[in-house]
Amino acid sequence: AQTVTQSQPEMSVQEAETVTLSCTYDTSESNYYLFWYKQPPSRQMILVIRQEAYKQQNATENRFSVNFQKAAKSFSLKISDSQLGDTAMYFCAFIWGGSEKLVFGKGTKLTVNP
Amino acid sequence: NAGVTQTPKFRILKIGQSMTLQCTQDMNHNYMYWYRQDPGMGLKLIYYSVGAGITDKGEVPNGYNVSRSTTEDFPLRLELAAPSQTSVYFCASGVLGSGANVLTFGAGSRLTVL
Repeated sequence: AQTVTQSQPEMSVQEAETVTLSCTYDTSESNYYLFWYKQPPSRQMILVIRQEAYKQQNATENRFSVNFQKAAKSFSLKISDSQLGDTAMYFCAFIWGGSEKLVFGKGTKLTVNP
Repeated sequence: NAGVTQTPKFRILKIGQSMTLQCTQDMNHNYMYWYRQDPGMGLKLIYYSVGAGITDKGEVPNGYNVSRSTTEDFPLRLELAAPSQTSVYFCASGVLGSGANVLTFGAGSRLTVL
């Protein structure tokens, strides 16, 4: 079974600092995709960043970047220059090629303090 | 471009009542999903559809039914509502396959069963 584990239920960071959210996954597949979704208090699920497993280069989107360690099955999210608007639940998700369903982790609640 | 539209946004039901959560997408996506999110928890897949006329169960289908008569619409029916169905429900749609695999989510429907 494919699983996604987020080991940090809650985290906090000071505004303008950097924070890293952890995610590990378990799969025997070689073709898969990884995602980080953000859910602010408005509840809207927003795609933050995605990574294709066949790409060695880590994905980046402005202040958001990932550290993708394929051998370790690790996919952490780094948020630089944290802003108050980054306060949200963050979900790691995984889908393998040929599958029809995303598998989500249980989420990490991030609070950015002023 | 409206994306994924869910109605209603809020609803209170009495035990034993039935209702339908509506979901419409205008992106011509083949794949559509219904998730539920309990307080402080991640997303659990209820049902999904890979195209008009095709539906399949997710991990928590009991107490729900779906249909997919058109590409655009994917309603979720709750029969004989129970307090355990109090949750926030998210509809999502997407295109799966190489280069895609991104889901777009609706804004959610908060359901309370009393």
